Amino acid sequence: GDSVTQMEGPVTLSEEAFLTINCTYTATGYPSLFWYVQYPGEGLQLLLKATKADDKGSNKGFEATYRKETTSFHLEKGSVQVSDSAVYFCALSDRVNRDDKIIFGKGTRLHILP
Amino acid sequence: DTEVTQTPKHLVMGMTNKKSLKCEQHMGHRAMYWYKQKAKKPPELMFVYSYEKLSINESVPSRFSPECPNSSLLNLHLHALQPEDSALYLCASSQDLLGAETQYFGPGTRLLVL
Repeated sequence: GDSVTQMEGPVTLSEEAFLTINCTYTATGYPSLFWYVQYPGEGLQLLLKATKADDKGSNKGFEATYRKETTSFHLEKGSVQVSDSAVYFCALSDRVNRDDKIIFGKGTRLHILP
Repeated sequence: DTEVTQTPKHLVMGMTNKKSLKCEQHMGHRAMYWYKQKAKKPPELMFVYSYEKLSINESVPSRFSPECPNSSLLNLHLHALQPEDSALYLCASSQDLLGAETQYFGPGTRLLVL
């Protein structure tokens, strides 16, 4: 079945550092890919998405490119801020199987130090 | 506007109580979801409604009873819960159930069962 694998955390960086959170997936169809962010004590917010190969999603300085050849959707940000401290979930939703479920990765906790 | 609202924000209940969680969206979405999220874990799907009809029940115990009174509202009725049911309950909605749809999440209700 479909699955999402993302790097285990926690990830600790200093402010203004470059961020990469790796995410790879397996899917039988043509999935859409998502990054969701969960700030402490809050629900999930959609951070960015990509619906087909080579699409780049971007929001709030974060970017991720849908790479079908490597089945990856790595999250990057050039200069992180303390306010980016949160848990980041990579996720997919599969189109061909008309699967109504989102498959989440386990989440990566990010700590940014001032 | 991509807002999903949930009430209450926090709920404490005893094992003999009956309570309800409420979710509302005004985006014209026809699919709505309930998720349960334990600490440091990704959300787990509980129920999916499509066009106000129950589409998916992920083998959830009968002490959780969903209801979709209209296309904008989703309730989760709680009765005789156990302490292990304490969690963050998230509601989400999407345009439809065509697969690969973007789900938008509410802020959640943090439930504590004593």
